[in-house]
Amino acid sequence: SAVISQKPSRDICQRGTSLTIQCQVDSQVTMMFWYRQQPGQSLTLIATANQGSEATYESGFVIDKFPISRPNLTFSTLTVSNMSPEDSSIYLCSVEFNSYEQYFGPGTRLTVT
Amino acid sequence: GQQVMQIPQYQHVQEGEDFTTYCNSSTTLSNIQWYKQRPGGHPVFLIQLVKSGEVKKQKRLTFQFGEAKKNSSLHITATQTTDVGTYFCAGQGGSNYKLTFGKGTLLTVNP
Repeated sequence: SAVISQKPSRDICQRGTSLTIQCQVDSQVTMMFWYRQQPGQSLTLIATANQGSEATYESGFVIDKFPISRPNLTFSTLTVSNMSPEDSSIYLCSVEFNSYEQYFGPGTRLTVT
Repeated sequence: GQQVMQIPQYQHVQEGEDFTTYCNSSTTLSNIQWYKQRPGGHPVFLIQLVKSGEVKKQKRLTFQFGEAKKNSSLHITATQTTDVGTYFCAGQGGSNYKLTFGKGTLLTVNP
């Protein structure tokens, strides 16, 4: 298993600003994922972040809006840029273990005013 | 693209009653996974099913994968208040590592 931490746990931001969310894992992992979850809704994959390569974005998500860094095998960041109220959501990072199990971080609850 | 439908969206039961949630994929899956998310928490991996017709049990939880590998179910026997949460199925198709999540079933248990 893995212990995953995220910072910040929550934030309230003004529209037009940007927020960078950090995800730290206690062991080296190849694949890291970033998800968005609206309250009471399902999880939507934003992108997959592999160390040493560009992140792979899902349909509807673009690098200019959600730039991702993956400088090493234990850390990743997701930036939510030029925020609007529609970006209010919970953002979760996850890592893959045993070739299929995904372990999720505690999430970052973002409110954009 | 791949879609995963899950029903029901909500289920309220009395403690001791059984509960079942169903998952159906638009395409054949290589495997299906189940996660539980407690209120205010994050999803926690429960199990993975890979083989056609596979049935796995974890104490009071029984997981099934359909013969065509397009549907799955989670059955909880004699629910307890600790079972409260949202249960998500998530499918993986072919060589694609991406997990497609169902909308989840929110289970509430009346003591």
